Amino acid sequence: QKEVEQDPGPLSVPEGAIVSLNCTYSNSAFQYFMWYRQYSRKGPELLMYTYSSGNKEDGRFTAQVDKSSKYISLFIRDSQPSDSATYLCAVSIGNEKLTFGTGTRLTIIP
Amino acid sequence: GAVVSQHPSWVICKSGTSVKIECRSLDFQATTMFWYRQFPKQSLMLMATSNEGSKATYEQGVEKDKFLINHASLTLSTLTVTSAHPEDSSFYICSALSPSFISGATDTQYFGPGTRLTVL
Repeated sequence: QKEVEQDPGPLSVPEGAIVSLNCTYSNSAFQYFMWYRQYSRKGPELLMYTYSSGNKEDGRFTAQVDKSSKYISLFIRDSQPSDSATYLCAVSIGNEKLTFGTGTRLTIIP
Repeated sequence: GAVVSQHPSWVICKSGTSVKIECRSLDFQATTMFWYRQFPKQSLMLMATSNEGSKATYEQGVEKDKFLINHASLTLSTLTVTSAHPEDSSFYICSALSPSFISGATDTQYFGPGTRLTVL
């Protein structure tokens, strides 16, 4: 079993729709949960960072962590074509290595 | 803030040669840097953790004699792929650990733009 599971997609939604991206993880020791956005042939860019359970909102982005079910989500409201990218969830126990999901390829259709 | 650069952005080399990739933190000092490899349509796989002034820590299955890492200063880490072969062709990405610019976050990893290596 992989430590982090993420549906690779691809996922296509019309512009303006709400996007829901999800990951599950297996190790209850993970405390830090991140979402990265990666454009083609570029390095990942940190989008959201959450410690332990709860919600965090930043503009059109909302991250949710449910440690009881080992489930993390990223919601994108009012999606834009510029949001088209691969979204990677990442988890860690501390400041050491990140464990990434496989990434979900998202396309926003104008 | 927290900008990380990599050089070169892409490189093509012949089988058997060595290639050096540089990772620099441009506006902060990083005692810890990480090296990842990413194959097409796959996620990032951590290869090694690089600590300034000490030996790198390699992940299981990564050959330390093939992937030489040097973290000589607080702003520079290098990855040298020795005796490269076609199966080493991949996208290599580094990251540097920095105090986060995101509210509520502890140190986080900021990634470079990646280096695409093609071995012929």
